[in-house]
Amino acid sequence: NAGVMQNPRHLVRRRGQEARLRCSPVKGHSHVYWYRQLPEEGLKFMVYLQKENIIDESGMPKERFSAEFPKEGPSILRIQQVVRGDSAAYFCASSPEGPSYNEQFFGPGTRLTVL
Amino acid sequence: QQQVKQSPQSLIVQKGGISIINCAYENTAFDYFPWYQQFPGKGPALLIAIRPDVSEKKEGRFTISFNKSAKQFSLHIMDSQPGDSATYFCAALFYNQGGKLIFGQGTELSVKP
Repeated sequence: NAGVMQNPRHLVRRRGQEARLRCSPVKGHSHVYWYRQLPEEGLKFMVYLQKENIIDESGMPKERFSAEFPKEGPSILRIQQVVRGDSAAYFCASSPEGPSYNEQFFGPGTRLTVL
Repeated sequence: QQQVKQSPQSLIVQKGGISIINCAYENTAFDYFPWYQQFPGKGPALLIAIRPDVSEKKEGRFTISFNKSAKQFSLHIMDSQPGDSATYFCAALFYNQGGKLIFGQGTELSVKP
């Protein structure tokens, strides 16, 4: 069974460019979560999505950040006009339907560096 | 009110010793408390989790102790091994609402041979 897959694993962008991070959940999982980990800090929740729906985006910055989880294909976290403060590790997690739906399984992360 | 506070920030333990990491929360609506282990360059991996209707859960060398009245929970690693050296995060969640995990700040554990 493949776990959560994220790509790219490392991404370098210059200030003002766009960053697009992809997450493929565990097969059969329909809940996806994005978290951000700044250097020397814990993980901070960003957004929770189910197929084609944003359930909770209370942790997303109001501007430049967006997320989607289409009916087909991976979940995408998009950061427009990146700034140095966006440099962080971005983790995606997924969970299944049913009683275990709160057990979140994390991917290896995408490490974004903004020059 | 949605914070989870974790201590210590770092911990050094001798091989074979007991590692203890503590967490405290404020919001009594939290009802699912997982612990995650993270190695450098990797994503967090679920280690063990507990719901507040039990006071203790044990899986192998890992035990969660839960004190509902004090709003505290802790991870005990018995017979600590160098391979346990990693960063450990406690977290909290509203079980019946899915959604976001609220993480503690993390504890960097180093087990010396």
